[in-house]
Amino acid sequence: AQKITQTQPGMFVQEKEAVTLDCTYDTSDQSYGLFWYKQPSSGEMIFLIYQGSYDEQNATEGRYSLNFQKARKSANLVISASQLGDSAMYFCAMREGQHNNDMRFGAGTRLTVKP
Amino acid sequence: GAVVSQHPSWVICKSGTSVKIECRSLDFQATTMFWYRQFPKQSLMLMATSNEGSKATYEQGVEKDKFLINHASLTLSTLTVTSAHPEDSSFYICSAPPIKSYEQYFGPGTRLTVT
Repeated sequence: AQKITQTQPGMFVQEKEAVTLDCTYDTSDQSYGLFWYKQPSSGEMIFLIYQGSYDEQNATEGRYSLNFQKARKSANLVISASQLGDSAMYFCAMREGQHNNDMRFGAGTRLTVKP
Repeated sequence: GAVVSQHPSWVICKSGTSVKIECRSLDFQATTMFWYRQFPKQSLMLMATSNEGSKATYEQGVEKDKFLINHASLTLSTLTVTSAHPEDSSFYICSAPPIKSYEQYFGPGTRLTVT
């Protein structure tokens, strides 16, 4: 069974600083994908970054990077140069196997960027 | 990028009535769509997997006779909450993976309030 763990219910970061949001996962599958989504107060789910289990390099998308440590089963999100608009809920998610399999989410981390 | 729409975006109904929520992929086809429910300050919980041309698969604890799912075409899935009760009040979000793509796109969500 899949399990995603986000141990930080809330995080604070100063504007322009970097922040790391933690995510660990548990799976017995060899093929899986890891995702990070941002959910502002409007409720929409905004895709940030994806890491495939066979990808050898850490994924990066602009100010977002994913610190993928396969042996430790962790997939932490790093946000560099935080902006006030980054304040939101952040969810880590995993999908095992094929692209049309379901996706399971962690509990989420509420990030607050302070001016 | 790919777009998933949901209709309505919010709905208020009286206890005992039924409500239908539509999820459409606007510019891609999806053989599978997913329905999630999110209670305030909680994560997204998978309710069911909607399969085009076949029966939906429900997660444990989700009543299939209460939450009726119909995947009528490769671009449309509907969720009907039958005999709604106040405890069904929640944020319902659908998602869909395009065929042969690792990505998964989310609808903007439907906020259901049952009075």
